Amino acid sequence: QVQLVQSGAEVKKPGASVKVSCKTSDYTFSNYGITWVRQAPGQGLEWMGWISAYNGDTKYAQKFQGRVTMTTDTSTSTAYMELRSLRSDDTAVYYCARSAHSGDYFDYWGQGTLVTVSS
Amino acid sequence: DIVMTQSPDSLAVSLGERATINCKSSQSVLYSSNNKNFLAWYQQKPGQPPKVLIYWASTRESGVPDRFSGSGSGTDFSLTISSLQAEDVAVYYCQQYYSTPYTFGQGTKLEIK
Repeated sequence: QVQLVQSGAEVKKPGASVKVSCKTSDYTFSNYGITWVRQAPGQGLEWMGWISAYNGDTKYAQKFQGRVTMTTDTSTSTAYMELRSLRSDDTAVYYCARSAHSGDYFDYWGQGTLVTVSS
Repeated sequence: DIVMTQSPDSLAVSLGERATINCKSSQSVLYSSNNKNFLAWYQQKPGQPPKVLIYWASTRESGVPDRFSGSGSGTDFSLTISSLQAEDVAVYYCQQYYSTPYTFGQGTKLEIK
């Protein structure tokens, strides 16, 4: 059964960076991409970007350009999302999700990682 | 950016009754070369990640009960639950994957009347 298992909750100070991992299993990692979506407390869903696990191509939302880096490690079938220069409004649950390619829906999701930014 | 607007924001329906959620995109999400609408519907229950119900506007994901159906094309779409069950209480989101940034509607909270 396809699974995406994310790293645990993080508490960071403003200005710091966070790196969230998303370990996948039971499918051919390089045949799909990984999307990152975040959800602020009590709010809706926000697409952050996508990375191809085949060749590392990325598409980032303009809002996060320059602050986010998405990477993959095909040897461990794991995707990573690093967000820098954290602000209080980056406090959110961050989800990874699988998609066949960039223009596709998200069929399997990780459980989410709460990132809290607080001084 | 394509803006996705759902209506209503919240909805209360009696068990066994029909529930319909609407979604309007600020521009067409129909790709003419393959005649597909790049529109998905997700269900999110408290404390859980979203779950895809419908993709390509009307294709039901494997394992999703057939009381869930999607319709529409171009800029106007609907998600219908034909006979509401208690386990359908959730927030529902539409999402376009036609062009980046892939945007979601604001969500519709579905409750039991």
